[in-house]
Amino acid sequence: DTEVTQTPKHLVMGMTNKKSLKCEQHMGHRAMYWYKQKAKKPPELMFVYSYEKLSINESVPSRFSPECPNSSLLNLHLHALQPEDSALYLCASSHGQGSYEQYFGPGTRLTVT
Amino acid sequence: AQSVTQLDSHVSVSEGTPVLLRCNYSSSYSPSLFWYVQHPNKGLQLLLKYTSAATLVKGINGFEAEFKKSETSFHLTKPSAHMSDAAVYFCVVSLLNDYKLSFGAGTTVTVRA
Repeated sequence: DTEVTQTPKHLVMGMTNKKSLKCEQHMGHRAMYWYKQKAKKPPELMFVYSYEKLSINESVPSRFSPECPNSSLLNLHLHALQPEDSALYLCASSHGQGSYEQYFGPGTRLTVT
Repeated sequence: AQSVTQLDSHVSVSEGTPVLLRCNYSSSYSPSLFWYVQHPNKGLQLLLKYTSAATLVKGINGFEAEFKKSETSFHLTKPSAHMSDAAVYFCVVSLLNDYKLSFGAGTTVTVRA
């Protein structure tokens, strides 16, 4: 099974709300990623977890808070977002770095009002 | 540092005709190279990858790509386009000891009936 699942598919939230995005994989991958993708652009890396520890934070604002409860799950907690944070949020996973391909989930379409 | 240039932002083909998507890369070291496809409102799907084995790589759905080190190119081809090939295609580079991917800007493919 080469599937990465993400919930919810769509999310609309106000600027004062707190919400969470969830990602799950059962491929035994030890690296998991969050990306942000704006329309007609390639994905931009936000965070990387390796063996459940935060390995890379691409200077993401603190209103985005990642969490990796176990090797299969990845969450992204959202608080006090801005309208410009509206985007497609993609989760991915891989066995490791470099030559290992990343498998992407279908994404969560986030709209901040 | 590495970078990726997709030479065409948009390619339009007739159904049943060949598709060529061009990608050039620059890298200080031997890279791994990937092609991903993204259909509207979907996540990214891996088409194929090159990791220093055969220079001609076969992927899913009839796609293949040829790695040419002397030209630093990794062009993607398909002999006969299908309507379902309409999507955005990303050429991607990664280095051996890196979790980060370098994405090209993407090529949008439209297929005319």
